Amino acid sequence: NAGVTQTPKFRILKIGQSMTLQCTQDMNHNYMYWYRQDPGMGLKLIYYSVGAGITDKGEVPNGYNVSRSTTEDFPLRLELAAPSQTSVYFCASSYLLASGNEQFFGPGTRLTVL
Amino acid sequence: GQQLNQSPQSMFIQEGEDVSMNCTSSSIFNTWLWYKQEPGEGPVLLIALYKAGELTSNGRLTAQFGITRKDSFLNISASIPSDVGIYFCAGSPLKNSGAGSYQLTFGKGTKLSVIP
Repeated sequence: NAGVTQTPKFRILKIGQSMTLQCTQDMNHNYMYWYRQDPGMGLKLIYYSVGAGITDKGEVPNGYNVSRSTTEDFPLRLELAAPSQTSVYFCASSYLLASGNEQFFGPGTRLTVL
Repeated sequence: GQQLNQSPQSMFIQEGEDVSMNCTSSSIFNTWLWYKQEPGEGPVLLIALYKAGELTSNGRLTAQFGITRKDSFLNISASIPSDVGIYFCAGSPLKNSGAGSYQLTFGKGTKLSVIP
C-alpha cells in the first residue's frame, strides 16, 4: 500500500492564481481530511469528508474548496491564492473505529504564494 | 474551540537521556494520539491511547492517557540521534458528542533536539 499520497510536493503561486492540491489514499478509508501547518503551530483542519459525496468545513475553511467524488480522492482547491495561504498542506485519512480515530498523513505539499 | 497545551515547546538533550513531554486539554478527550514529524515529512503515528489510565509502549516510547481524560504524557527512554523531530499530541472528544467526535485537535508540538 502506498498509503496517502499528495501532489505536488512544492508549488509557488502568484497572488490571484488558482490550483488544486491532489490527495489519494489506497487504504479504503471512509474519512479524509485537509490540514494546514504554519511554522510553530499545530495542524489546523480546513475541510473533512466522511465519505464520497459528503464534505464539511473545519476550523479554517475560508479560501478553499473541496470535493469527494470517490472514496480514494479528496482534492483541495484554492481559487484566488493569497499570501496568507502560504503554508504546508497535509492530507490525512482514517477509518473510524468504535474506540477512536487514528489518522494517517501524506507527505505534504509546501505552497508559497507571492 | 478546544485547546491543547503541549509542553515543553522545545528540548535540547544529550544522547542517552530520557525525555518527557505532556499535553493538557481544556475538555475531556476520548482518544489521545502521539505523532512524530521529521523535516519535510508528514506526521507519523507513534502511539494511540483509548482508555483513561492506559499506559502503552512502542519500543523506547511510552505514553499514558491521564485519569482525568484531560491530559497525556509521552516518555522516550535512552534517546538517540534519530529521535530528533517534532512530537505532536492530538486528541478527539468523547464518543457520541456529535459530528465532531472524529475530529482531532492538535497541540503545537515539542521540538526535540538530541546532542550526540
